[in-house]
Amino acid sequence: AQKVTQAQTEISVVEKEDVTLDCVYETRDTTYYLFWYKQPPSGELVFLIRRNSFDEQNEISGRYSWNFQKSTSSFNFTITASQVVDSAVYFCALSNNAGNMLTFGGGTRLMVKP
Amino acid sequence: EAQVTQNPRYLITVTGKKLTVTCSQNMNHEYMSWYRQDPGLGLRQIYYSMNVEVTDKGDVPEGYKVSRKEKRNFPLILESPSPNQTSLYFCASSLRGRLATQYFGPGTRLTVL
Repeated sequence: AQKVTQAQTEISVVEKEDVTLDCVYETRDTTYYLFWYKQPPSGELVFLIRRNSFDEQNEISGRYSWNFQKSTSSFNFTITASQVVDSAVYFCALSNNAGNMLTFGGGTRLMVKP
Repeated sequence: EAQVTQNPRYLITVTGKKLTVTCSQNMNHEYMSWYRQDPGLGLRQIYYSMNVEVTDKGDVPEGYKVSRKEKRNFPLILESPSPNQTSLYFCASSLRGRLATQYFGPGTRLTVL
Protein backbone atom coordinates (compact mmCIF):
# COMPACT_ATOMS: atom_id res chain seq x y z
CA ALA A 1 0.00 0.00 0.00
CA GLN A 2 1.16 3.52 -0.62
CA LYS A 3 0.99 6.42 1.79
CA VAL A 4 1.54 10.16 1.77
CA THR A 5 2.20 12.13 4.95
CA GLN A 6 1.95 15.87 5.30
CA ALA A 7 2.93 16.38 8.90
CA GLN A 8 2.15 20.10 8.96
CA THR A 9 -1.60 20.46 9.24
CA GLU A 10 -1.52 24.24 9.43
CA ILE A 11 1.12 26.91 8.80
CA SER A 12 0.77 30.62 9.34
CA VAL A 13 3.24 33.12 7.89
CA VAL A 14 3.40 36.83 7.26
CA GLU A 15 3.43 38.07 3.71
CA LYS A 16 6.84 37.99 2.01
CA GLU A 17 8.13 35.21 4.20
CA ASP A 18 9.35 32.02 2.56
CA VAL A 19 7.54 28.84 3.54
CA THR A 20 8.19 25.15 2.91
CA LEU A 21 5.49 22.51 2.91
CA ASP A 22 6.71 19.02 3.66
CA CYS A 23 5.62 15.82 1.97
CA VAL A 24 6.88 12.32 2.75
CA TYR A 25 5.68 9.30 0.84
CA GLU A 26 5.84 5.52 0.96
CA THR A 27 5.58 3.18 -1.99
CA ARG A 28 6.94 -0.15 -3.14
CA ASP A 29 6.81 0.88 -6.78
CA THR A 30 10.02 1.87 -8.52
CA THR A 31 8.08 3.95 -11.03
CA TYR A 32 5.65 6.48 -9.67
CA TYR A 33 4.58 10.10 -9.95
CA LEU A 34 4.27 12.78 -7.32
CA PHE A 35 1.94 15.73 -7.49
CA TRP A 36 1.09 18.93 -5.70
CA TYR A 37 -2.40 20.40 -5.83
CA LYS A 38 -3.67 23.69 -4.42
CA GLN A 39 -7.17 24.10 -3.00
CA PRO A 40 -8.01 27.80 -2.52
CA PRO A 41 -10.91 28.89 -0.31
CA SER A 42 -13.24 28.61 -3.31
CA GLY A 43 -12.79 24.83 -3.09
CA GLU A 44 -11.55 23.73 -6.49
CA LEU A 45 -8.39 21.67 -6.88
CA VAL A 46 -5.68 23.26 -8.96
CA PHE A 47 -2.85 21.17 -10.37
CA LEU A 48 0.58 22.63 -9.63
CA ILE A 49 3.21 20.08 -10.59
CA ARG A 50 3.88 16.46 -11.54
CA ARG A 51 7.25 14.80 -11.05
CA ASN A 52 8.24 11.26 -12.02
CA SER A 53 10.37 9.01 -9.86
CA PHE A 54 13.29 9.05 -12.28
CA ASP A 55 13.70 12.79 -12.37
CA GLU A 56 15.24 14.15 -9.20
CA GLN A 57 16.00 17.57 -10.59
CA ASN A 58 14.54 20.36 -8.56
CA GLU A 59 12.03 22.52 -10.32
CA ILE A 60 11.30 26.22 -10.07
CA SER A 61 8.26 28.01 -11.40
CA GLY A 62 8.19 31.65 -10.46
CA ARG A 63 7.90 31.85 -6.68
CA TYR A 64 7.28 28.11 -6.41
CA SER A 65 9.98 25.48 -6.17
CA TRP A 66 9.99 21.77 -5.49
CA ASN A 67 12.67 19.61 -3.94
CA PHE A 68 12.41 15.90 -4.73
CA GLN A 69 14.72 13.66 -2.70
CA LYS A 70 14.30 9.98 -3.41
CA SER A 71 16.76 9.03 -0.66
CA THR A 72 14.45 10.45 1.99
CA SER A 73 11.18 9.82 0.08
CA SER A 74 10.31 13.48 0.24
CA PHE A 75 8.85 15.97 -2.20
CA ASN A 76 8.81 19.34 -0.50
CA PHE A 77 7.26 22.51 -1.84
CA THR A 78 8.62 25.99 -1.15
CA ILE A 79 6.88 29.29 -1.76
CA THR A 80 9.26 32.23 -1.87
CA ALA A 81 8.06 35.67 -0.82
CA SER A 82 4.59 34.41 0.06
CA GLN A 83 1.51 36.44 -0.80
CA VAL A 84 -1.97 36.53 0.67
CA VAL A 85 -3.28 34.84 -2.49
CA ASP A 86 -1.16 31.81 -1.62
CA SER A 87 -3.49 31.11 1.30
CA ALA A 88 -4.97 27.70 0.56
CA VAL A 89 -4.84 24.05 1.44
CA TYR A 90 -2.03 22.27 -0.37
CA PHE A 91 -2.12 18.56 -1.10
CA CYS A 92 0.73 16.28 -2.00
CA ALA A 93 -0.26 13.12 -3.89
CA LEU A 94 1.34 9.92 -5.14
CA SER A 95 0.32 7.87 -8.16
CA ASN A 96 0.97 4.15 -8.25
CA ASN A 97 2.84 2.46 -11.05
CA ALA A 98 -0.33 1.41 -12.84
CA GLY A 99 -1.54 5.00 -12.80
CA ASN A 100 -5.00 4.10 -11.55
CA MET A 101 -4.64 5.03 -7.89
CA LEU A 102 -3.85 8.49 -6.63
CA THR A 103 -3.14 8.69 -2.90
CA PHE A 104 -3.35 12.06 -1.20
CA GLY A 105 -1.78 13.36 1.95
CA GLY A 106 -3.99 15.00 4.56
CA GLY A 107 -3.18 18.48 3.29
CA THR A 108 -1.47 21.53 4.78
CA ARG A 109 -3.48 24.67 5.35
CA LEU A 110 -1.32 27.70 4.62
CA MET A 111 -2.42 31.07 5.92
CA VAL A 112 -0.52 34.09 4.68
CA LYS A 113 -1.27 37.21 6.67
CA PRO A 114 -0.77 40.71 5.32
CA GLU B 1 -13.32 25.20 -22.57
CA ALA B 2 -11.84 21.93 -21.31
CA GLN B 3 -13.50 21.03 -18.06
CA VAL B 4 -14.94 18.50 -15.70
CA THR B 5 -18.44 19.34 -14.51
CA GLN B 6 -20.36 17.96 -11.56
CA ASN B 7 -24.00 18.27 -10.60
CA PRO B 8 -25.37 19.16 -8.22
CA ARG B 9 -22.80 21.35 -6.51
CA TYR B 10 -24.65 21.22 -3.20
CA LEU B 11 -27.11 18.65 -1.94
CA ILE B 12 -28.85 18.08 1.36
CA THR B 13 -30.74 14.83 1.65
CA VAL B 14 -32.03 12.35 4.19
CA THR B 15 -30.83 8.91 5.15
CA GLY B 16 -31.87 6.20 2.72
CA LYS B 17 -32.99 8.39 -0.17
CA LYS B 18 -31.17 7.29 -3.31
CA LEU B 19 -29.17 9.96 -5.10
CA THR B 20 -26.90 10.36 -8.08
CA VAL B 21 -24.11 12.86 -8.55
CA THR B 22 -23.26 13.34 -12.20
CA CYS B 23 -19.81 13.91 -13.63
CA SER B 24 -19.02 14.81 -17.20
CA GLN B 25 -15.81 15.72 -19.02
CA ASN B 26 -15.34 17.18 -22.47
CA MET B 27 -11.68 16.28 -22.97
CA ASN B 28 -12.13 12.76 -24.35
CA HIS B 29 -10.30 11.36 -21.34
CA GLU B 30 -10.24 7.60 -20.89
CA TYR B 31 -9.70 7.68 -17.15
CA MET B 32 -12.21 9.00 -14.61
CA SER B 33 -12.33 8.75 -10.85
CA TRP B 34 -14.32 9.77 -7.77
CA TYR B 35 -12.87 11.00 -4.50
CA ARG B 36 -14.27 12.13 -1.21
CA GLN B 37 -12.59 14.80 0.89
CA ASP B 38 -12.87 14.80 4.66
CA PRO B 39 -11.04 17.05 7.14
CA GLY B 40 -7.59 15.75 8.02
CA LEU B 41 -7.89 12.80 5.65
CA GLY B 42 -7.20 14.52 2.37
CA LEU B 43 -8.90 12.99 -0.64
CA ARG B 44 -9.64 9.30 -0.76
CA GLN B 45 -10.45 7.42 -3.91
CA ILE B 46 -13.89 5.81 -4.10
CA TYR B 47 -14.01 4.27 -7.59
CA TYR B 48 -12.19 4.72 -10.84
CA SER B 49 -12.71 3.78 -14.47
CA MET B 50 -9.94 3.13 -16.96
CA ASN B 51 -12.36 3.24 -19.89
CA VAL B 52 -15.95 2.64 -20.93
CA GLU B 53 -17.51 -0.33 -19.13
CA VAL B 54 -14.38 -0.76 -16.99
CA THR B 55 -14.69 0.26 -13.34
CA ASP B 56 -12.81 -0.71 -10.20
CA LYS B 57 -12.83 -0.03 -6.49
CA GLY B 58 -10.62 2.53 -4.85
CA ASP B 59 -9.83 2.82 -1.16
CA VAL B 60 -13.32 3.56 0.16
CA PRO B 61 -15.96 2.01 -2.16
CA GLU B 62 -18.47 0.84 0.46
CA GLY B 63 -21.88 2.42 0.03
CA TYR B 64 -21.21 3.70 -3.49
CA LYS B 65 -21.83 2.52 -7.02
CA VAL B 66 -20.63 3.83 -10.35
CA SER B 67 -21.21 3.17 -14.01
CA ARG B 68 -19.34 4.10 -17.18
CA LYS B 69 -21.60 3.63 -20.17
CA GLU B 70 -20.18 6.54 -22.11
CA LYS B 71 -16.68 7.92 -22.19
CA ARG B 72 -17.64 11.40 -21.03
CA ASN B 73 -19.90 10.48 -18.08
CA PHE B 74 -19.14 8.80 -14.79
CA PRO B 75 -22.03 9.12 -12.31
CA LEU B 76 -21.67 8.32 -8.62
CA ILE B 77 -24.68 6.58 -7.08
CA LEU B 78 -25.53 6.39 -3.40
CA GLU B 79 -28.35 3.86 -3.20
CA SER B 80 -29.00 4.32 0.52
CA PRO B 81 -27.05 7.31 1.80
CA SER B 82 -26.04 7.47 5.43
CA PRO B 83 -24.77 10.39 7.54
CA ASN B 84 -21.17 9.09 7.34
CA GLN B 85 -21.30 9.81 3.62
CA THR B 86 -21.59 13.51 4.32
CA SER B 87 -18.55 14.85 2.55
CA LEU B 88 -17.13 16.88 -0.31
CA TYR B 89 -16.96 14.81 -3.48
CA PHE B 90 -14.68 15.35 -6.44
CA CYS B 91 -14.73 13.81 -9.86
CA ALA B 92 -11.50 13.74 -11.88
CA SER B 93 -10.41 12.71 -15.33
CA SER B 94 -7.17 12.25 -17.21
CA LEU B 95 -6.12 11.48 -20.74
CA ARG B 96 -4.86 8.07 -19.75
CA GLY B 97 -4.71 6.40 -16.39
CA ARG B 98 -1.05 5.59 -16.34
CA LEU B 99 0.73 8.36 -14.52
CA ALA B 100 -1.20 11.16 -16.20
CA THR B 101 -2.26 14.33 -14.44
CA GLN B 102 -5.81 14.25 -13.17
CA TYR B 103 -8.04 17.28 -13.61
CA PHE B 104 -10.75 17.80 -11.05
CA GLY B 105 -14.32 18.98 -11.16
CA PRO B 106 -15.54 21.79 -8.88
CA GLY B 107 -16.76 19.45 -6.15
CA THR B 108 -20.16 18.45 -4.75
CA ARG B 109 -20.89 19.13 -1.11
CA LEU B 110 -23.25 16.45 0.17
CA THR B 111 -25.00 16.48 3.53
CA VAL B 112 -26.95 13.42 4.63
CA LEU B 113 -29.26 14.05 7.59
